[in-house]
Amino acid sequence: RKEVEQDPGPFNVPEGATVAFNCTYSNSASQSFFWYRQDCRKEPKLLMSVYSSGNEDGRFTAQLNRASQYISLLIRDSKLSDSATYLCAVNPSGGYNKLIFGAGTRLAVHP
Amino acid sequence: GAVVSQHPSWVICKSGTSVKIECRSLDFQATTMFWYRQFPKQSLMLMATSNEGSKATYEQGVEKDKFLINHASLTLSTLTVTSAHPEDSSFYICSAQQGARYNSPLHFGNGTRLTVT
Repeated sequence: RKEVEQDPGPFNVPEGATVAFNCTYSNSASQSFFWYRQDCRKEPKLLMSVYSSGNEDGRFTAQLNRASQYISLLIRDSKLSDSATYLCAVNPSGGYNKLIFGAGTRLAVHP
Repeated sequence: GAVVSQHPSWVICKSGTSVKIECRSLDFQATTMFWYRQFPKQSLMLMATSNEGSKATYEQGVEKDKFLINHASLTLSTLTVTSAHPEDSSFYICSAQQGARYNSPLHFGNGTRLTVT
């Protein structure tokens, strides 16, 4: 079983739609969790950290479910510019900030 | 904001040659840097953790003699792909940790696309 798993998609949604991605992790001792956005042939950029109580940043909401070992990302009112691959990342050890990435979920927002 | 510069952005080399990739933290000191590799449509795979002044820690399955890592200063880590082969063609990305805590911000370089012919 992979340490971090995501549905690869693609998710094809119209502008204005709400879309949710899930990511599961295998190490129950994992300490910190993140969502990154990666555009084609570019480096990943941090979208948001994921906190235990859930957190929101504009149209983006991230949640963590430790009991079921998954994190989620909700995007409301999708924009064309949201089209990208979304990677979840998990720090399994709490030591160095050593991130294990999921394979990413591809989102395509169309007019 | 913090910037990590990676050089070169892309490189094409012949099979059997070695390629050096540099990762620099421009406005902060990074005692720890990480090297990742990403094949098309796949995840970023952690190759190694680079610590300033000490030997790198390699992930399982990554050949330390093939992927030489040097972290000689607090702002520079280098990855040398020795005797490169076509299967080493990939996107190599470094990241630098700003701070010593486990949740310190990670800043990524812009990546190096390596093509071995």
